[in-house]
Amino acid sequence: GENVEQHPSTLSVQEGDSAVIKCTYSDSASNYFPWYKQELGKGPQLIIDIRSNVGEKKDQRIAVTLNKTAKHFSLHITETQPEDSAVYFCAALPGFRAGNQFYFGTGTSLTVIP
Amino acid sequence: ETGVTQTPRHLVMGMTNKKSLKCEQHLGHNAMYWYKQSAKKPLELMFVYSLEERVENNSVPSRFSPECPNSSHLFLHLHTLQPEDSALYLCASSQLRDSGEQYFGPGTRLTVT
Repeated sequence: GENVEQHPSTLSVQEGDSAVIKCTYSDSASNYFPWYKQELGKGPQLIIDIRSNVGEKKDQRIAVTLNKTAKHFSLHITETQPEDSAVYFCAALPGFRAGNQFYFGTGTSLTVIP
Repeated sequence: ETGVTQTPRHLVMGMTNKKSLKCEQHLGHNAMYWYKQSAKKPLELMFVYSLEERVENNSVPSRFSPECPNSSHLFLHLHTLQPEDSALYLCASSQLRDSGEQYFGPGTRLTVT
């Protein structure tokens, strides 16, 4: 089955700097890659996603890039703010077939220092 | 209310107790999910319901018993749990089982003593 690895597990940046979180996956059939943000005491919230027919997607200060050949995708947050502090999860969804399910990374705890 | 709601938010139970977790989605979705979230581990998918039919059961011990009476409600019945079952239990929903976008509830923090 699919295996998703996420790095780093913790990340501290100064306010205003950029943050990058990387994930790799193993199943070349995976075709959907969402990123979730989980704040303390809350469930994961979808913040951005990308499908395998696209190489990059941006939404204001966040962007996701996908390299299908290398099987990795990354989350980029620019001009970080204290409210960006949270745990971020990546996930991969193999192609539509029986038994299809999301495979999640282990999470990155991001701290933005004011 | 909007989105996905879960009750209770916190639960402490002994190993001999029976309790139930409740999830409700107000998004008109047709698929609902139970996940277990433990520290330092990836989210673990437990059960999937699509159109009220259970379509996924990932080798979950029988002390966890799901119930989906309709497309808006999902329950997780718990009995004779073990301390290692302590975790955050998350409910999620999506438009269709394979539609991609899943929306999560806030979770129930379960502690088994």
